[in-house]
Amino acid sequence: AQKVTQAQTEISVVEKEDVTLDCVYETRDTTYYLFWYKQPPSGELVFLIRRNSFDEQNEISGRYSWNFQKSTSSFNFTITASQVVDSAVYFCALSAEILTGGGNKLTFGTGTQLKVEL
Amino acid sequence: KAGVTQTPRYLIKTRGQQVTLSCSPISGHRSVSWYQQTPGQGLQFLFEYFSETQRNKGNFPGRFSGRQFSNSRSEMNVSTLELGDSALYLCASSRDGSSYNSPLHFGNGTRLTVT
Repeated sequence: AQKVTQAQTEISVVEKEDVTLDCVYETRDTTYYLFWYKQPPSGELVFLIRRNSFDEQNEISGRYSWNFQKSTSSFNFTITASQVVDSAVYFCALSAEILTGGGNKLTFGTGTQLKVEL
Repeated sequence: KAGVTQTPRYLIKTRGQQVTLSCSPISGHRSVSWYQQTPGQGLQFLFEYFSETQRNKGNFPGRFSGRQFSNSRSEMNVSTLELGDSALYLCASSRDGSSYNSPLHFGNGTRLTVT
């Protein structure tokens, strides 16, 4: 079975602060992908980043960065210099090859509501 | 390029009725997935279609069904609606439907309210 846990239900920050969203996952599969999606009030989920289970190199893309550690089964996401437009619900998700049989099936965490205030 | 289009945006139905939701994927995308989002259960996978075939199915009762047409458009149907079916139903498409690592592109969803 797969499981994704986002312990932070809601985070409030002041604009320009850095914020890290935590994600812990469980899977027995050795081949899997991790994703972060953003859901603004309009409802659609927007793909942000993905990382495969064989690549623990952490990266930075603009104001986004992520920290993937297999040893702790964590895939944390950081927004640097947060902006009001970053306010949304952020979801961590997991997709494993064996479980999907090659298809596309995401297991989502419960989401973290991020509020960025002026 | 147009995104994933879901119709209708809002729907109100009565218990016992049935409902059909529609999804048009991004042009060229052959895989379509459906997810249910509720405050209590969060985002849950319903099913995935690729080349008109259901490839994966989540843990939902048989009242939930779907299909995909030759142009990749998809519909999902819920029969004998229950109050607990009230949710945001999200459709997503991906370009490479054969790959579990493909990012999904989501529509704005259909908000279904069952009274």
